[in-house]
Amino acid sequence: KAGVTQTPRYLIKTRGQQVTLSCSPISGHRSVSWYQQTPGQGLQFLFEYFSETQRNKGNFPGRFSGRQFSNSRSEMNVSTLELGDSALYLCASSPKAGLYNEQFFGPGTRLTVL
Amino acid sequence: AQSVTQPDIHITVSEGASLELRCNYSYGATPYLFWYVQSPGQGLQLLLKYFSGDTLVQGIKGFEAEFKRSQSSFNLRKPSVHWSDAAEYFCAVGAETSYDKVIFGPGTSLSVIP
Repeated sequence: KAGVTQTPRYLIKTRGQQVTLSCSPISGHRSVSWYQQTPGQGLQFLFEYFSETQRNKGNFPGRFSGRQFSNSRSEMNVSTLELGDSALYLCASSPKAGLYNEQFFGPGTRLTVL
Repeated sequence: AQSVTQPDIHITVSEGASLELRCNYSYGATPYLFWYVQSPGQGLQLLLKYFSGDTLVQGIKGFEAEFKRSQSSFNLRKPSVHWSDAAEYFCAVGAETSYDKVIFGPGTSLSVIP
C-alpha cells in the first residue's frame, strides 16, 4: 500500500504570495491532519479533516486554511505569506477521526519564504 | 496546562550501547502515548504506542517503552543501538476527549558513534 504523498516536496515563495500544498493519504484513510514543524516551535497542529469536514483546528491565523476532497485528498493554503511561515509542513493520515489515533506521516513539504 | 517534556535535547551514544530517551507529560485525561522517529528529510514514523493494558510496550526496530503513571513518564529504551537509529525522536500525548488533540514534545536528537 502506498504511503502518504505530499507535493511539492520543496517550494520557495516571496512574502505576500500565497501557496497551496497537497496531500494524498493512504488508500482507505479518511482523516487527514496537517502540522507545521519549525526548529523554534517544534511540531504544531494546524487542522484535521475527516470526510471533507474540518474537525479540529489549531491556533493559527486565518491565513492558514485547508480543505478535503471526496477522495480524501487534502490541500492546505497559506495566503499573504510571511517570513515566519518558512517551515516543514507535514501531512498525516489515519483510518479513523481523532488525533489520538495512530497517524501515518508523509515526507513533508519544505516551504521557504524569502 | 497540558504539556510534554523531553529533558534531553541531544544525546550521543556509541553503537551497541543501550539507550533511554526520557518523556514526561502533564495531561488531565487518561493519556494515549506515542513515540515517533524522524530521519533527516523525512516525515515521522510511529515506533510504538500505549493506549491501555500492559505498561511495557514493544515497538518496531527493537524499541520498547514503559508507561509509569505515578511518574507521568513514558521513556523509550533500546538495549543495543545501531548507527541507523540516529534520528530525531518525538514523544506525543493524546486523549479521547472532546478537545481531541495531540501534543508533541520538543524532540530528542540522537547521534550514534560508530
